[in-house]
Order: sequence, then C-alpha cells, then structure tokens
Amino acid sequence: DGGITQSPKYLFRKEGQNVTLSCEQNLNHDAMYWYRQDPGQGLRLIYYSQIVNDFQKGDIAEGYSVSREKKESFPLTVTSAQKNPTAFYLCASRRRDRETEAFFGQGTRLTVV
Amino acid sequence: QKEVEQDPGPLSVPEGAIVSLNCTYSNSAFQYFMWYRQYSRKGPELLMYTYSSGNKEDGRFTAQVDKSSKYISLFIRDSQPSDSATYLCAMHQTGANNLFFGTGTRLTVIP
Repeated sequence: DGGITQSPKYLFRKEGQNVTLSCEQNLNHDAMYWYRQDPGQGLRLIYYSQIVNDFQKGDIAEGYSVSREKKESFPLTVTSAQKNPTAFYLCASRRRDRETEAFFGQGTRLTVV
Repeated sequence: QKEVEQDPGPLSVPEGAIVSLNCTYSNSAFQYFMWYRQYSRKGPELLMYTYSSGNKEDGRFTAQVDKSSKYISLFIRDSQPSDSATYLCAMHQTGANNLFFGTGTRLTVIP
C-alpha cells in the first residue's frame, strides 16, 4: 500500500536535546512538507522540498532543520534552539508535475519533558 | 487578515442532521480547494478535492466553491457519530509551493 509513514508516533525530548522525526513516502511524490499543528492555530509550514537536495524555509523554520537526500525521505530535526517544540508534527507529500492534493502521514506528537 | 478563515466551532449536531462547514479566503488566485477530516491525534485525511467553482458530490459529502464570493463549503448529509472530527479546509494556486489551511472546525455528532 502506498502512503506516508511518520515515526515515532510519540517522542519525548529533554531540554537542550536535538531530536529527529522521520517521514518516508512510497507514493513517488516529488514535493514533501513539514507542518506544525498547535491547538487553535491550524497547520503552519516549517519546511518544504520540491526535489531531492533542495528545500525551502516555511513560515516558522527557526529552530528546525531538514534534509532531502532521497526522494522518499524528508527527516525533520527539532534543535535545542526551538524554544517551544511541544506540538503535533505532520509530514505531507504531493506530486509536483501537476496540481494535485496533498496527503498526510499520521503525525508525531513531540513533548518536552 | 489571514489568507484563509474558518470558524473553529465547536459545532454539535444530532445524528442525521445536515452539517454545513465553511471557509472564506482572501486570495483570488486560489483555484484548488480541499477538505480534510482529522480525527483526534491522527493525520488529516483527504475528503474532497475540487478545482475552481462549482459543486462536487461524493456519497454523503458535497463540496461547494463560490469563487465570486471567495467562499467554500462542505455539506454532510445524514451525519453520523463517526463524522465527529475536526474538518480542515485547504487551498492553493497554480504553481504555488504551499497549501493554505483554515484553523479547522471541530464537529461532534450526537447519537
């Protein structure tokens, strides 16, 4: 079955630690996205990538980093510079060659302890 | 002004009711409109995808786009308790990299 897999489902981070969230897709989609979801604020774009080895900052990129070494994978690192990292993180992907809808993974809930 | 505005609710209806969920937007270049359903602690699931103005029907769900008013709607007929979720609208324009989302409307269907 094609889809987007995010792992882990739940993640706990200590103050000052970097953590990496995984996102893998087997839909052969070129574009991939990371969103952060907080109660009452909807989805906010962190980073996106249209092709391998290229990515762009979204609206709230500070304190986050990404890489896109393979088409299938778009990991997100939440660094210690992110002051309020507790949130629900969503990865999405879509085709780039035509205008289509985006599909989401099941999300990772990150909590700072 | 936000690009996309959506009433956050919450909205509670009895089982069997017709539900109307709405979003307004400010960017007249938006041409692609989506509705997602999100259950608690899950990723959004695509429900409907429409291009430009008009209606699209899929079972109990109807998506409506009125570009002249910059207004989109999702109607749910014969609502069921399993429809209880948060509904997000999203939209984008040709050639754009990003999707713009509403904040979501939380719906509860009471048996």
